[in-house]
Amino acid sequence: EIVMTQSPATLSVSPGERATLSCRASQSISSTLAWYQQKPGQAPRLLIYGASTRATGIPARFSGSGSGTEFTLTISSLQSEDFAVYYCQQYDDWPRTFGQGTKVGIK
Amino acid sequence: EVQLLESGGGLVQPGGSLRLSCAASGFTFSYYGMNWVRQAPGKGLEWVSGIVGSGGTSVSAGYTHYVDSVKGRFTISRDNSKNTLYLQMNSLRAEDTAVYFCAKDLGRSGFSSLDFWGQGTLVTVSS
Repeated sequence: EIVMTQSPATLSVSPGERATLSCRASQSISSTLAWYQQKPGQAPRLLIYGASTRATGIPARFSGSGSGTEFTLTISSLQSEDFAVYYCQQYDDWPRTFGQGTKVGIK
Repeated sequence: EVQLLESGGGLVQPGGSLRLSCAASGFTFSYYGMNWVRQAPGKGLEWVSGIVGSGGTSVSAGYTHYVDSVKGRFTISRDNSKNTLYLQMNSLRAEDTAVYFCAKDLGRSGFSSLDFWGQGTLVTVSS
């Protein structure tokens, strides 16, 4: 099983600031990496797939980068609606696996 | 508009069984892989099971996959004539307590992220 490790677990950011979230895979997964956003009481929402492609309707302030084992999600200027939990997920192999999540909170 | 609507959750005793359903609409259901993802109270997301659609290679269509913790207890299936995904859950344990989400593959290849999710159905395993 491919283990996905996210850091940090919690990130405190002021509105308008930049947030950088990391995700590491236990083995190379090429670019088969997705990022999701989840708010309390809601289903997750796909943000990024293929490590760097924004999903339909996702604002340009969200960007993804990386390949192999190291990946980054950057939110260039945090808006109030961006405070949420973010998960990475690999789909290179079965079972699909998620990271444990990074909670982005208001500083 | 893609819609996924889960049903079948509830309270069940340890060792019991439950069948979840996910009614899909707004896309050609048979083409796409489908998945179940769960989230225990206050915890993160855990992928549970997936079934490949017919939009990929004919060799892999219908293939099923599971996380180790549910192998031999859970069975994923689909009825393409009814646009419905199922998860049969047997020998349930307290640690299976979670909200279960149904989620659609973005692409048809069988190697894909999850682009649409249902709102989830709560399964509680307790005596």
